[in-house]
Amino acid sequence: QVQLQESGPGLVKPSQTLSLTCTVSGGSISSSGYYWSWIRQHPGKGLEWIGYISYTGSTYYNPSLKSRLTISVDTSKNQFSLKLTSVTAADTAVYYCARDMGAAAPFLVDCWGQGTLVTVSS
Amino acid sequence: EIVLTQSPATLSLSPGERATFSCRASQSVSSYSLAWYQQKPGQAPRLLIYGTASRATGIPDRFSGGGSGTDFTLTISRLEPEDLAVYYCQQSGKSPGTFGPGTKVEIK
Repeated sequence: QVQLQESGPGLVKPSQTLSLTCTVSGGSISSSGYYWSWIRQHPGKGLEWIGYISYTGSTYYNPSLKSRLTISVDTSKNQFSLKLTSVTAADTAVYYCARDMGAAAPFLVDCWGQGTLVTVSS
Repeated sequence: EIVLTQSPATLSLSPGERATFSCRASQSVSSYSLAWYQQKPGQAPRLLIYGTASRATGIPDRFSGGGSGTDFTLTISRLEPEDLAVYYCQQSGKSPGTFGPGTKVEIK
């Protein structure tokens, strides 16, 4: 059974870069057909899709974040990562990594990490 | 971007009662592209229903989905205490996949 685990700093200063890594276990990130995604949830609020990457490196970014966002994949480590630059308090959220069903059903998530809270504050 | 609205915001019911949630889309959504997730307190969301009416692996048959076009529903036929959660609808047919604001289920 595939499991995902987020890691990274829980506190980031305003204007700096938020960096998170998701480690995939119990399966290969190179499994064809899946996309590897980041989704966030502002405190007490709903869910917002950030973006996804395939194991080949093709990406989709939410247009609202695109100018600040980079998602990358490291198949040798079975990991994928998120970098969000120039963060503000509005980027404070629980960040989830997730597996979505890929080209057959993009944006449909069947497996989630436990989530990690990132707070943007000086 | 497709905007989803959900009603009611909160539902307070007793165990054994029937719970029905509504999800309305700002434009038509393919029946293949409507999903429901359950998020229990302190946990990540979990896929319940995909393709409007198909239950995900391990989901009990008291959960059912329906609808078409812009109006979709999730029904829990007999509420159990462990169903305390927020339920989100999501459309995955047009990018970015957007979620509704959620319906919170409280158990009396």
